[in-house]
Amino acid sequence: AQSVTQPDIHITVSEGASLELRCNYSYGATPYLFWYVQSPGQGLQLLLKYFSGDTLVQGIKGFEAEFKRSQSSFNLRKPSVHWSDAAEYFCAVDSWGKFQFGAGTQVVVTP
Amino acid sequence: EAGVVQSPRYKIIEKKQPVAFWCNPISGHNTLYWYRQNLGQGPELLIRYENEEAVDDSQLPKDRFSAERLKGVDSTLKIQPAELGDSAVYLCASSEFGTEQYFGPGTRLTVT
Repeated sequence: AQSVTQPDIHITVSEGASLELRCNYSYGATPYLFWYVQSPGQGLQLLLKYFSGDTLVQGIKGFEAEFKRSQSSFNLRKPSVHWSDAAEYFCAVDSWGKFQFGAGTQVVVTP
Repeated sequence: EAGVVQSPRYKIIEKKQPVAFWCNPISGHNTLYWYRQNLGQGPELLIRYENEEAVDDSQLPKDRFSAERLKGVDSTLKIQPAELGDSAVYLCASSEFGTEQYFGPGTRLTVT
């Protein structure tokens, strides 16, 4: 069955430390891939997307993601987190118009 | 550029009552989506419109949920009658030709 998996439900990171959020997908062909962020009480904001081409994608707010076909992964990274990065992060895939979100990873940033 | 607009932002109703949510997508976006997001979960697609046509409503509980997108712009999602399990955030999103989606702030529904 087609699926999007975010293995980490909750991650705590110190301000200034690096962050990596994992995303794995299970689809027959490489779908379009997205990362969204949702702050409390807010709608989802697109951080970055991958359609094709360069497998390292740059996004907003200093985030980047790397597509690895062999691992069916699209992990999100940030070299140095800020307190304002505390939020919930969702990986999403679009496969032939079928859009599916992962369950999300809650990121807590400590001083 | 104005984003996706949704109203109301919050709604509290008693079970068995009807409720409606309204969405105005970004100007020029032909694709419109309605999602339901339960607490602690990712959004789940309810229905997708291409212009006026509902092209994917496979996850819409049709016994109590209905949606329309007249003239291919604004859309309304209705629940009648509401059940306790319908408490969730209802998100609207739009995109241009099915590319990346832009989301509205959502409507938080509480059914008591």
